[in-house]
Amino acid sequence: DQQVKQNSPSLSVQEGRISILNCDYTNSMFDYFLWYKKYPAEGPTFLISISSIKDKNEDGRFTVFLNKSAKHLSLHIVPSQPGDSAVYFCAASLVYGQNFVFGPGTRLSVLP
Amino acid sequence: NAGVTQTPKFQVLKTGQSMTLQCAQDMNHNSMYWYRQDPGMGLRLIYYSASEGTTDKGEVPNGYNVSRLNKREFSLRLESAAPSQTSVYFCASTPRGGTVTDTQYFGPGTRLTVL
Repeated sequence: DQQVKQNSPSLSVQEGRISILNCDYTNSMFDYFLWYKKYPAEGPTFLISISSIKDKNEDGRFTVFLNKSAKHLSLHIVPSQPGDSAVYFCAASLVYGQNFVFGPGTRLSVLP
Repeated sequence: NAGVTQTPKFQVLKTGQSMTLQCAQDMNHNSMYWYRQDPGMGLRLIYYSASEGTTDKGEVPNGYNVSRLNKREFSLRLESAAPSQTSVYFCASTPRGGTVTDTQYFGPGTRLTVL
């Protein structure tokens, strides 16, 4: 049973609009979360993180929101650009853990 | 800096064959990791090395062995490949290790097919 779920395998958005990628987790002990972006034939690259003491973290066009009671986090990209087209992975861990549990990924396509 | 490099990029094996996937990083990172990624699933940790001279099992270690040859290199060996090991393998490293808040840097991956 997957502990980290990304229920939308794919998402298409028009350039300039907001992209919202969602992630749900089942383990209430998770307290540190990451988003990675992955282009074809490349390894994942770190995008943004959030710890459970916060409910929002921003980095430029990227904002991650955490709703602990719902065990849900989301990544907002505003405005979306064609170069944002990639697979986005959500990952969760204990802060004092060693490893992450990754979701299956959501493929984002930003259309010009 | 090349970052994290992996060889080979692609490999096809027959069931029962063995091979070693190589990984090297030139960032003087302490910790290194091997993941596999299968369709519809996220990355799953196979083994990791928190520091030179140590290795530990991850979520899916069966059928694999690892060697942390030195601080730069971390290899993954399949002694007797099985079709279930068809996957894309990623190596990663982190500067300090020992904490998940340390950013992981990934290599480009090795696509392995076992027939």
